[in-house]
Amino acid sequence: EAGVTQSPTHLIKTRGQQATLRCSPISGHTSVYWYQQALGLGLQFLLWYDEGEERNRGNFPPRFSGRQFPNYSSELNVNALELEDSALYLCASSLVTNEQFFGPGTRLTVL
Amino acid sequence: GEDVEQSLFLSVREGDSSVINCTYTDSSSTYLYWYKQEPGAGLQLLTYIFSNMDMKQDQRLTVLLNKKDKHLSLRIADTQTGDSAIYFCAEIDQYSGGGADGLTFGKGTHLIIQP
Repeated sequence: EAGVTQSPTHLIKTRGQQATLRCSPISGHTSVYWYQQALGLGLQFLLWYDEGEERNRGNFPPRFSGRQFPNYSSELNVNALELEDSALYLCASSLVTNEQFFGPGTRLTVL
Repeated sequence: GEDVEQSLFLSVREGDSSVINCTYTDSSSTYLYWYKQEPGAGLQLLTYIFSNMDMKQDQRLTVLLNKKDKHLSLRIADTQTGDSAIYFCAEIDQYSGGGADGLTFGKGTHLIIQP
């Protein structure tokens, strides 16, 4: 069974640009979670999508947004990039809330 | 809000047992987790325990939960070099909007294996 996949592996952008990160969940999973792992800040919950709807978001500004497609894959968009957005962005999928399986992450570097 | 605390480093000899500890504050936590992260990789779900359990064992891994003290531990028996990684403790309150806040993680414990 294929695990959670994320693309791209690495992404380099400059301040003010937009970044788009993609996530494909495990087959059959309907929920996708996004987390940010920034140096010194640890892992923080960003967004939760389930059945195509945004169910909740963490304590992040509105320039962090995303969507979930009918095939349950998901996209995270970060607008007006700032230096402190540099982080590893992890996606997790689940069928039930108590089991979240993570992808390898996308390393975003903002110059 | 919820808070999860872990010590930053643990050094053990190869072949010994490793015990990684975690404390949490949210008494509503329903599930508690241990994830493993190797360098440059994502998180691997090792095991989890429901809050009404005291212990769970899975091969070399033993999870102990002291709900009264809000203390969770992960014991790795016969620690090997491949166990070298960062171990994250995490919790979720399943009944707070159906897990709407996602997982709350500790800062992670770096497990260092000495030969």
